Amino acid sequence: RKEVEQDPGPFNVPEGATVAFNCTYSNSASQSFFWYRQDCRKEPKLLMSVYSSGNEDGRFTAQLNRASQYISLLIRDSKLSDSATYLCVVNGNTGNQFYFGTGTSLTVIP
Amino acid sequence: DAGVTQSPTHLIKTRGQQVTLRCSPKSGHDTVSWYQQALGQGPQFIFQYYEEEERQRGNFPDRFSGHQFPNYSSELNVNALLLGDSALYLCASSRGGELFFGEGSRLTVL
Repeated sequence: RKEVEQDPGPFNVPEGATVAFNCTYSNSASQSFFWYRQDCRKEPKLLMSVYSSGNEDGRFTAQLNRASQYISLLIRDSKLSDSATYLCVVNGNTGNQFYFGTGTSLTVIP
Repeated sequence: DAGVTQSPTHLIKTRGQQVTLRCSPKSGHDTVSWYQQALGQGPQFIFQYYEEEERQRGNFPDRFSGHQFPNYSSELNVNALLLGDSALYLCASSRGGELFFGEGSRLTVL
């Protein structure tokens, strides 16, 4: 079983739509969770960390469900500039090794 | 403040050859991790260096080796290149938290 699993999409949504991405992880001992954004042919960049209490940054909301080993990212009022691949990232047993999902592709359509 | 820098940005090799990729971490970062990202996949962890030692290793063969220098910069070496080694090689630096990525070295093996 993969350490991190994501629906690869693609998700094609109109501007202004709300879209949600999900991710599951296999290691119950994982302590750190992140969403990274990767634009085409560019390096991944941190979008937001995911905390147990959930966290929000503008139009973006991240949630963690430890019991179900599940992470989500919600994007409200989608913009054209949100088009990218969103990577779910979870740390491993030692805390030093980070596992990436395959990424979920989002295209926001005018 | 320079971020993570990698060189070369692109390179082409033939099967059986050897390659060395280089990475300078973000200022103040002491930990360097290397990832392989094949087309359409998420980054896969190769190994991590801290205090000039390999601290953690992913599921990659011994053909993949590395080094970290006293100034925290790092090299990734791949011997006996295979066609399947064609990928984007990403270096990420950190200091106990978020990963910051370089733009990557795109390797093509013919």
